[in-house]
Amino acid sequence: AQSVAQPEDQVNVAEGNPLTVKCTYSVSGNPYLFWYVQYPNRGLQFLLKYITGDNLVKGSYGFEAEFNKSQTSFHLKKPSALVSDSALYFCAVRDSGNNRLAFGKGNQVVVIP
Amino acid sequence: DAGVIQSPRHEVTEMGQEVTLRCKPISGHDYLFWYRQTMMRGLELLIYFNNNVPIDDSGMPEDRFSAKMPNASFSTLKIQPSEPRDSAVYFCASSQEGSNQPQHFGDGTRLSIL
Repeated sequence: AQSVAQPEDQVNVAEGNPLTVKCTYSVSGNPYLFWYVQYPNRGLQFLLKYITGDNLVKGSYGFEAEFNKSQTSFHLKKPSALVSDSALYFCAVRDSGNNRLAFGKGNQVVVIP
Repeated sequence: DAGVIQSPRHEVTEMGQEVTLRCKPISGHDYLFWYRQTMMRGLELLIYFNNNVPIDDSGMPEDRFSAKMPNASFSTLKIQPSEPRDSAVYFCASSQEGSNQPQHFGDGTRLSIL
């Protein structure tokens, strides 16, 4: 069965500093990986995905993620965090040929002004 | 483009009452998903449909929960009778055909059972 681990509960970062949110995954086949962001009282919003090709994927709002097959990781990054990036971030994985998404527990990101 | 639309946004009702949550997926999307989010259990998949047919309902908590999709533009999640432990935020999401397609979420229904 596919699964995702997001090891940290909360990530604190100063505004302007680099932001990293960690994610590791487990699937039996080829992974399709996704990052979502959730703001208070809103649904999850799609940020970016990795399907195949370049290991560095660029997405919305200046976010990017790096796929590492040997470490089974898909960490989310942003070079310079904004206060408005404070939100809950979810990593998700889908096995090829499967329509269910397995979500991590989410990471609360707090960007300190 | 209109996104996934859910109604109502908030629902407060007393234990034992019937609750119906509604969802309009994005036009042209073949898949529809119902999730529940709580602090304790995180995001849980309840059921999903493909072309209006239920494919996997293994996440539905118990017989008090039922979901229907009478056509491509409408789905309901019903709880009867409701209990306080059903209090949560319920999300609907839709996606196009293909494992590489992201799911698009509505803004959810915050349900409180007193």
